[in-house]
Amino acid sequence: GQQVMQIPQYQHVQEGEDFTTYCNSSTTLSNIQWYKQRPGGHPVFLIQLVKSGEVKKQKRLTFQFGEAKKNSSLHITATQTTDVGTYFCAGKSGGYQKVTFGTGTKLQVIP
Amino acid sequence: NAGVTQTPKFQVLKTGQSMTLQCAQDMNHEYMSWYRQDPGMGLRLIHYSVGAGITDQGEVPNGYNVSRSTTEDFPLRLLSAAPSQTSVYFCASRQGRTEAFFGQGTRLTVV
Repeated sequence: GQQVMQIPQYQHVQEGEDFTTYCNSSTTLSNIQWYKQRPGGHPVFLIQLVKSGEVKKQKRLTFQFGEAKKNSSLHITATQTTDVGTYFCAGKSGGYQKVTFGTGTKLQVIP
Repeated sequence: NAGVTQTPKFQVLKTGQSMTLQCAQDMNHEYMSWYRQDPGMGLRLIHYSVGAGITDQGEVPNGYNVSRSTTEDFPLRLLSAAPSQTSVYFCASRQGRTEAFFGQGTRLTVV
């Protein structure tokens, strides 16, 4: 079945440093979504990418969908303590209704 | 709108007991799903439903049953609880290819 892996699993950064998490799928995705989960909370939708090579920005966050639509990345510029949490990618293949979540990257920001 | 409501928030069960985790959404979404979240494993799909009367298995369905008699409700039944089912459970709903909305989660401990 479809597998979605994320690296790294954990990342500690100093406040102000940049952060990137990578998402890799075993199959071609029709779209990819990114979610953020604060400690003790539930996943909250950030963005969806659909087109090959698509890049979207939300303030300090930059999301990219790979040309082959099998990988994606989330880059945060100048991290802040409010960025703390676990970031998940989630992908859907073809006509299947199932959405597969990645393993997540837990970000800790040291003030 | 309340969004996705899960009950209970916390539950302790003894091995062998059965229980039902409740999930309700008021957004008229067709698609509902149940995930479990364990450290380092991301969100794993247990069961999902594409509409009332239609359910299917996800990655980790063993030990769980679901039904979807109405659009709003998607309960998850643990048939005979085992310590391996200690986890955080999330219910989510979405419409088509749009974002998923998650409930607050149920933290289940099986002793």
